[in-house]
Amino acid sequence: GAGVSQTPSNKVTEKGKYVELRCDPISGHTALYWYRQSLGQGPEFLIYFQGTGAADDSGLPNDRFFAVRPEGSVSTLKIQRTERGDSAVYLCASSARGGTGFLNTEAFFGQGTRLTVV
Amino acid sequence: AQTVTQSQPEMSVQEAETVTLSCTYDTSESDYYLFWYKQPPSRQMILVIRQEAYKQQNATENRFSVNFQKAAKSFSLKISDSQLGDAAMYFCAYRSRETSGSRLTFGEGTQLTVNP
Repeated sequence: GAGVSQTPSNKVTEKGKYVELRCDPISGHTALYWYRQSLGQGPEFLIYFQGTGAADDSGLPNDRFFAVRPEGSVSTLKIQRTERGDSAVYLCASSARGGTGFLNTEAFFGQGTRLTVV
Repeated sequence: AQTVTQSQPEMSVQEAETVTLSCTYDTSESDYYLFWYKQPPSRQMILVIRQEAYKQQNATENRFSVNFQKAAKSFSLKISDSQLGDAAMYFCAYRSRETSGSRLTFGEGTQLTVNP
């Protein structure tokens, strides 16, 4: 696609429910990132995929959070037993590839999913 | 671990004037990248300008320029001839060049208001 697409744009769920957030990266981008942005804060890293595998999941806050990218394209962030503290904007970004090089590692962001847990 | 600090939660500028947003960071690495991102109400993070740490020359992109002071670990953004469309949240961000994965570490952000 032309840009990174995230669905839904907004999601309201009840405490304790399960939610899935979807990210469709730019076509051909092998690296994909999830960030969480709480109100009034900068985004915080959650997880990084290189292809189908999670190369770095050290930012996931606990085992209620899980993400997959089974075919190396679309990714889904899954949150179990949601808590009010999970309310935030979840941003997805993709880049042509990961690693340390410069020219192909610019990250392009989607517009995020605003999750509200009531 | 790296940290990024933006000490100005809010800034305002008159249209056509110049404003400077501050950013400091802490790292033990010598090779890295620094970025300024703009986030309008649409929530999409837009890259404004980037700097490679090994380059002494300050990056410039049209009306946007940076003052990169590596020894002081300072990376400020100057916006010249401010326009109404520049109003947004601005984030300073760090990315290591020494480790793979390329995660971004963001500051807390500065909300910029442009007054007509």
